[in-house]
Amino acid sequence: GDSVTQMEGPVTLSEEAFLTINCTYTATGYPSLFWYVQYPGEGLQLLLKATKADDKGSNKGFEATYRKETTSFHLEKGSVQVSDSAVYFCAAGPRSGAGSYQLTFGKGTKLSVIP
Amino acid sequence: DAMVIQNPRYQVTQFGKPVTLSCSQTLNHNVMYWYQQKSSQAPKLLFHYYDKDFNNEADTPDNFQSRRPNTSFCFLDIRSPGLGDAAMYLCATVRDRGETQYFGPGTRLLVL
Repeated sequence: GDSVTQMEGPVTLSEEAFLTINCTYTATGYPSLFWYVQYPGEGLQLLLKATKADDKGSNKGFEATYRKETTSFHLEKGSVQVSDSAVYFCAAGPRSGAGSYQLTFGKGTKLSVIP
Repeated sequence: DAMVIQNPRYQVTQFGKPVTLSCSQTLNHNVMYWYQQKSSQAPKLLFHYYDKDFNNEADTPDNFQSRRPNTSFCFLDIRSPGLGDAAMYLCATVRDRGETQYFGPGTRLLVL
């Protein structure tokens, strides 16, 4: 079955530092890829997504590029803020019109940003 | 505007006392999911509905049941909660494969 491996945390950074959270996937076929963010005590929110090779998803200063050749979807942000402190989940899901309806999640990476 | 609503946000129950968690959506999505999330872990899929078709994960305990009386509502019934069922329960919806799943805020269940 599909699997998603992401960098395990926790990750602690100073404000304005550069962030990278690595994510790689194994899947049959050609999945859609997502980054979700979960703030304390809340549900998951979509941060960004990409549905085909070389697509770049971006939102709130975060970016991730779908790299089919390396089966990766690494999350980056150039300058983190304290408000970015949360748990980040990488996920792979079926492409439109094919396969199951399930998302496969990575284990999550907890990010703490200190002033 | 809330699109996936879960009630209650916090639920306390006693060991063995049945409990029902509810989820509603205003997105008119075909697919609804229930996930269990324990501390510092990824969400674990319990089951999902495509319209009225129910799909149970192979490792979901029989203690967990679900109902979807209409497109908008879905319920999670825990027939005899054990201490190990204390967790955050997340409801999510999606319109179709490959699209974004929208999550509710979750219900945190405490079992005494």
